[in-house]
Amino acid sequence: KQEVTQIPAALSVPEGENLVLNCSFTDSAIYNLQWFRQDPGKGLTSLLLIQSSQREQTSGRLNASLDKSSGRSTLYIAASQPGDSATYLCAGDNTDKLIFGTGTRLQVFP
Amino acid sequence: EAQVTQNPRYLITVTGKKLTVTCSQNMNHEYMSWYRQDPGLGLRQIYYSMNVEVTDKGDVPEGYKVSRKEKRNFPLILESPSPNQTSLYFCASSLGLQSYEQYFGPGTRLTVT
Repeated sequence: KQEVTQIPAALSVPEGENLVLNCSFTDSAIYNLQWFRQDPGKGLTSLLLIQSSQREQTSGRLNASLDKSSGRSTLYIAASQPGDSATYLCAGDNTDKLIFGTGTRLQVFP
Repeated sequence: EAQVTQNPRYLITVTGKKLTVTCSQNMNHEYMSWYRQDPGLGLRQIYYSMNVEVTDKGDVPEGYKVSRKEKRNFPLILESPSPNQTSLYFCASSLGLQSYEQYFGPGTRLTVT
């Protein structure tokens, strides 16, 4: 059964730090990988989608990479800001479902 | 504006009283799904639908029903809610499952007493 682990579970950093969030799958047979942001009590907002033929995606200060051979993805956040404080979730899809990790709770303080 | 809407956003009910949570999307998406989110367990899929009149069970379908009579709507039905169904529920949609971005609704916080 596919399981998704996100490390670290929680992270508290000062503003301006560069961050790396990790996501790993027990079964590397995933097609696509998506990173989401969730604010407390709110829905999920898609940040980046890495399709099966791609290895990374970038949007502003965010960069996500996917190594399918090892079943690992990383989300890199450059020059973190207090507004980046949220829970970050990764999710991979196989044939018929999206499987989520339990998330990394990030707090960026001024 | 492209969006997924859910109603109600908050609901407190009693055990056994049937309820429906509506989900609607305006993006002509074929794939729709329901998730529940619980502390320590993350997001788990309840049901999904690949297209109109096509639905299938996810990981935790017990106690739930769904229907997909039209493309834009995918209601979640709890025929006889129980306290263990107290959770935060999310509806999501996309053009398809693979290679397409998933769009999530704002969530419905359900409490069953």
